[in-house]
Amino acid sequence: EIVMTQSPATLSVTPGERVTLSCRASQSVSSNLAWYQQKPGQAPRLLIYGASTRATGIPARFSGNGSGTEFTLTISSLQSEDFAVYYCQQYNNWPRTFGGGTKVEIK
Amino acid sequence: EVQLLESGGGLVQPGGSLRLSCVASGFTFSTYAMSWVRQAPGKGLEWVSAISGSGANTYHADSVKGRFTISRDNSKNTLFLQMNSLRAEDTALYYCAYSPGGWNYFDYWGQGTLVTVSS
Repeated sequence: EIVMTQSPATLSVTPGERVTLSCRASQSVSSNLAWYQQKPGQAPRLLIYGASTRATGIPARFSGNGSGTEFTLTISSLQSEDFAVYYCQQYNNWPRTFGGGTKVEIK
Repeated sequence: EVQLLESGGGLVQPGGSLRLSCVASGFTFSTYAMSWVRQAPGKGLEWVSAISGSGANTYHADSVKGRFTISRDNSKNTLFLQMNSLRAEDTALYYCAYSPGGWNYFDYWGQGTLVTVSS
């Protein structure tokens, strides 16, 4: 099973700041990586797939990068609605696996 | 509009069984693979099971293999998860999810159904 490790676990930021979240795979997943955003009481929302392709309706301030084992999700200017938990997920191998999440909170 | 509506959750004793359902609408159900993803209270996401559009191919996480079975009824646009030999660690909100892009990532999610395993 591929283990996905996200860092940091929590990120305290000020609105307007640029934020970069990291996700590392225990073995190569090529570009088969997705990012999700989850707010309290809501289902996850797909942000990025293919490591860097924004899903339908996702604002341009969200961008994904990386391949192999190292990936990042960048939010160029954090908006109030972006405070949430972010998960990465690999789909290169079965079983599909998620990272433990990064909580982005207000500083 | 795509809708996924889960049901069947509830309180069950350890060792018991439950059958979850997910009724889909707004897309051609039989064409697409479907998955179950769960989230324990206050915890992260865990992929559980996936099934191909025809139902011929299924995958399960090691944590549920031999206890859970995913299936589907394409005539009723319904996805199922039969859960047997339930354990306390199976307590979670269970989501059904799918993507038009295949069974890789998940564009669409239901709102989930809560399963609580406790005596």
